[in-house]
Amino acid sequence: GEKVEQHESTLSVREGDSAVINCTYTDTASSYFPWYKQEAGKSLHFVIDIRSNVDRKQSQRLIVLLDKKAKRFSLHITATQPEDSAIYFCAASSNTGNYKYVFGAGTRLKVIA
Amino acid sequence: GGIITQTPKFLIGQEGQKLTLKCQQNFNHDTMYWYRQDSGKGLRLIYYSITENDLQKGDLSEGYDASREKKSSFSLTVTSAQKNEMAVFLCASSITGGNTEVFFGKGTRLTVV
Repeated sequence: GEKVEQHESTLSVREGDSAVINCTYTDTASSYFPWYKQEAGKSLHFVIDIRSNVDRKQSQRLIVLLDKKAKRFSLHITATQPEDSAIYFCAASSNTGNYKYVFGAGTRLKVIA
Repeated sequence: GGIITQTPKFLIGQEGQKLTLKCQQNFNHDTMYWYRQDSGKGLRLIYYSITENDLQKGDLSEGYDASREKKSSFSLTVTSAQKNEMAVFLCASSITGGNTEVFFGKGTRLTVV
C-alpha cells in the first residue's frame, strides 16, 4: 500500500525566513496531496492541497510543489510568522475509490522571533 | 459550517477493558474515519466507512471494532486495552466520491493504566 514519508521531523526558522517541508510517496496512482496543520492542543485543519494535474499551487504565503516523476511534494511557507509554529502533516490519496488518505509522520515547525 | 464532536475527550481505562469512543458529525458527509495519532508516527488509519452501515479496515484495525450506526455517527471500540497504551484517537469526515478536504474532530486521549 501507499507509504508517505515526511523527511523533516523538526524544523526551526527565523521569523521572516522561508520554511520548506518535504514529503515523498510510493504509489504512482496517488493524485491528491493535502497538507494539514495542527497547532498546540488543537486538532488538524486543512491548509492547502495540490492535485496531480498541476505542479505548483499557491495560496497567500503557502506554496505547494509536486514532482510526479520523483514522487515528491513539498510545502513552502514564505515570510514565516510566529503563528506558523505548529505540526504540519502531508498526506496522499488516489482516485482508485478506496477513499484512504495516508499521512506522513508530521514536521514540528518552530518559528523563532 | 459543521462540526465533529468526539466523546469522551479523555478516557482512562484498565488493561483488558473494552472501551468505546464516539463521534458525531453534522456536515452530512458520507465518509467517516478513525485515525490513531501517536507521537512521532503521524496518523494511522484504523477504520473508515463510506456510507451508513459500511465498514472498511484500515492499516491498524487489529484490536479494534467500529460501527456506523447512522450517517452522522461512527463509533470505535478498543476490544482489549493494552497496559501503558497512550494515544489520541481522531475522528474525521469528508465528502465521498472525490479527493476533498477531510475535517477532524478534537480527539479522544486514551490512557490505559
